[in-house]
Amino acid sequence: DAGITQSPRHKVTETGTPVTLRCHQTENHRYMYWYRQDPGHGLRLIHYSYGVKDTDKGEVSDGYSVSRSKTEDFLLTLESATSSQTSVYFCAISVRLSSEPLNTGELFFGEGSRLTVL
Amino acid sequence: AQSVTQLGSHVSVSEGALVLLRCNYSSSVPPYLFWYVQYPNQGLQLLLKYTSAATLVKGINGFEAEFKKSETSFHLTKPSAHMSDAAEYFCAVSDRHYQLIWGAGTKLIIKP
Repeated sequence: DAGITQSPRHKVTETGTPVTLRCHQTENHRYMYWYRQDPGHGLRLIHYSYGVKDTDKGEVSDGYSVSRSKTEDFLLTLESATSSQTSVYFCAISVRLSSEPLNTGELFFGEGSRLTVL
Repeated sequence: AQSVTQLGSHVSVSEGALVLLRCNYSSSVPPYLFWYVQYPNQGLQLLLKYTSAATLVKGINGFEAEFKKSETSFHLTKPSAHMSDAAEYFCAVSDRHYQLIWGAGTKLIIKP
């Protein structure tokens, strides 16, 4: 258990409203990620963070913003939700031995946040 | 750009039969390759990973995968399927920017 919790786990909202999803980790890992999962698309990276206030875009970042003011929290915000953002959102952290290259790290995932935009 | 292709969005096998889930990748550099499993209503968890050591990689729950550079493949196998193996399986490759590129997933169905 990598100590990741996502909140809320389920949310239904209306088009045009802002939504914030929270990812909280208890183990002080540097790298955190937000993915969305949709049938037939696997996982697609939205944004990631490599430290406090250090974030970067993934392949599907349009319509999303993120913030990381503390090591343990990584927030994903939909400024104005649209129906195309109905999805399951997963937070993940990267865990690796210091002797391993960066891109061999194992990802530990939260249990997901199911968002429905009506 | 790197890509990952998983053949078959659904694979159905009988309990006790061989499980074979196919994954092919395109990569211009020696890759690091991963298989993850997702049980219903859960997040993904690592099954196994290849990081340029042995080409045959053993993972959890009796699964293994063989890295074949000449075929750019990393197929996942298990000799005898259990009902508890029913899940969705994802293949992924890491790129030079330390991001994972994911396949679309294969749902494994186990018939009694």
